[in-house]
Amino acid sequence: QPVLTQSSSASASLGSSVKLTCTLSSGHSSYIIAWHQQQPGKAPRYLMKLEGSGGYNKGSGVPDRFSGSSSGADRYLTISNLQSEDEADYYCETWDSNTWVFGGGTKLTVL
Amino acid sequence: QLQLQESGPGLVKPSETLSLTCTVSGGSISSSSYYWGWIRQPPGKGLEWIGSIYYSGSTYYNPSLKSRVTISVDTSKNQFSLKLSSVTAADTAVYYCAREPSYVDYWGQGTLVTVSS
Repeated sequence: QPVLTQSSSASASLGSSVKLTCTLSSGHSSYIIAWHQQQPGKAPRYLMKLEGSGGYNKGSGVPDRFSGSSSGADRYLTISNLQSEDEADYYCETWDSNTWVFGGGTKLTVL
Repeated sequence: QLQLQESGPGLVKPSETLSLTCTVSGGSISSSSYYWGWIRQPPGKGLEWIGSIYYSGSTYYNPSLKSRVTISVDTSKNQFSLKLSSVTAADTAVYYCAREPSYVDYWGQGTLVTVSS
């Protein structure tokens, strides 16, 4: 069963860019993941599906500022031109053999 | 636009059974190739997958909760349900229902369930 590892926190300045990382455990480096955003006090929101090739498909209404990329077992979420509303928790998710797994989440602070 | 809405008691006593229902609107729960799942989030903590049901009725549960969880579907009402038995304070959480075409692509708004006497 895959394990997803995320840094607990990240910070970046308003208007800048930030790259969040989700790392798949050994033996699972080819897995597809999904990224979700959870703003304070709200339900999570699906952002995108991200493949090992780096290709991604975003959910409806997700701004162009959000993009994904991959390198080996690492899956990245890049947010450009950071806005105050991007301050949130970001979770990655994957699945295997009818079991779903979430990473521990990264709390993004916009300075 | 697909919408999912959780409903059920917000307070459950220890040792009793937590019961929640998710009503799906804007789409059919019988659509092929979708799983329908339950995910929870204890206060201040991360997301935990509880279990899922395939459109065909097959169920899949988190091994750590499997002995206490039952997920079922009522296609006539476009709903699916969660039962979690023998609850303790550790089961206090916001419970979300979700659609899963492998990954979660739609989330409900969530409902807080507190386990307390």
